[in-house]
Amino acid sequence: IAGITQAPTSQILAAGRRMTLRCTQDMRHNAMYWYRQDLGLGLRLIHYSNTAGTTGKGEVPDGYSVSRANTDDFPLTLASAVPSQTSVYFCASSDGAARGGNEQFFGPGTRLTVL
Amino acid sequence: GQNIDQPTEMTATEGAIVQINCTYQTSGFNGLFWYQQHAGEAPTFLSYNVLDGLEEKGRFSSFLSRSKGYSYLLLKELQMKDSASYLCAAADSNYQLIWGAGTKLIIKP
Repeated sequence: IAGITQAPTSQILAAGRRMTLRCTQDMRHNAMYWYRQDLGLGLRLIHYSNTAGTTGKGEVPDGYSVSRANTDDFPLTLASAVPSQTSVYFCASSDGAARGGNEQFFGPGTRLTVL
Repeated sequence: GQNIDQPTEMTATEGAIVQINCTYQTSGFNGLFWYQQHAGEAPTFLSYNVLDGLEEKGRFSSFLSRSKGYSYLLLKELQMKDSASYLCAAADSNYQLIWGAGTKLIIKP
């Protein structure tokens, strides 16, 4: 693989179900991020990780959890999905934080619908 | 609070020039990013400004005025493939990116 991948591409989920969105990068980037993108709103940061073994909360963390067991993988878990979590989810990575203008590389996104 | 404002939609003609404005209010400031996002795709990096002035990169240029909390993206010699959304994002004191909602640019022949 080259770059950053996400799985699944899309998913329809019943409310109350648990769901894990997967994200893997092969660029050896230290920092990884999860965003959600909703129509008419900017990308909103859910959780981030500056390096393997550490995570932090973003702007909209409620209802989501993450882990960073190694450099490459950064899964996002919805413990009990609700309809307001219907969105497009993007995973991104960067070589360090935004300092110095480190660009973020985005995965192709996961389109999640919660019914 | 932290806020990024940019126009929702703009229309321009193929071959012309268009300027997309962005104003920002953040807790601290560590640079301004522009990304391009085609419909149904992921955002891709266009430019980064941390000092005042104009940065030119081919047909695309980006300008920053830190005192005014203002940036613009200038696209020259517009091509149909430039039809996309353009996202402005400012890095705050913690280097987290605050994103605007994006400007949808429509190019007409």
